[in-house]
Amino acid sequence: AQKITQTQPGMFVQEKEAVTLDCTYDTSDPSYGLFWYKQPSSGEMIFLIYQGSYDQQNATEGRYSLNFQKARKSANLVISASQLGDSAMYFCAMREGFFGNEKLTFGTGTRLTIIP
Amino acid sequence: DVKVTQSSRYLVKRTGEKVFLECVQDMDHENMFWYRQDPGLGLRLIYFSYDVKMKEKGDIPEGYSVSREKKERFSLILESASTNQTSMYLCASSTSDRVSYNSPLHFGNGTRLTVT
Repeated sequence: AQKITQTQPGMFVQEKEAVTLDCTYDTSDPSYGLFWYKQPSSGEMIFLIYQGSYDQQNATEGRYSLNFQKARKSANLVISASQLGDSAMYFCAMREGFFGNEKLTFGTGTRLTIIP
Repeated sequence: DVKVTQSSRYLVKRTGEKVFLECVQDMDHENMFWYRQDPGLGLRLIYFSYDVKMKEKGDIPEGYSVSREKKERFSLILESASTNQTSMYLCASSTSDRVSYNSPLHFGNGTRLTVT
């Protein structure tokens, strides 16, 4: 079974609109962390936001927020007021366990295109 | 800022050649990783290392080996390159300090390898 599932291979969104990128995960470990990365066409992987499984509040970083629904095992990324520079691949990733396991498992990604 | 440097941005090799991909990080990170990225498959972990001379297999280690003789350097080796190893290779590093559970992986810019 896939540990991280991103069901939207591609999305087209009008500039200035809000965007939700879906991510569901599968783990039996009660301690885990969820990460979102952005990969522009230049290829670099840019860390955006983190959510821990015990965090009481949804994470926010500027225009990025994470809609964390633990019971549904979903961790959707929300980008408010989208900009042309948001066009990129977006990856959801998970780290299972807090210590002793440093590796991240990634989803297949969503290619977001912002239309002017 | 953490800097992860991959020695080549683009590489073209012939089938059967031995290929070395080099990665250096400048933040004294304990952990280093090699992922490969393919369209529709996301990032998949090849090998990782928690310390000098330590290595562990990831999800797709077949056809690859690694070397970590110094803390800052992690090399990926393709013993006999094959066309199905044509891919984007991403190196990453992270810290293992006491509050590392939410620390992201820091990635290099990637090496696009073509095997002909």
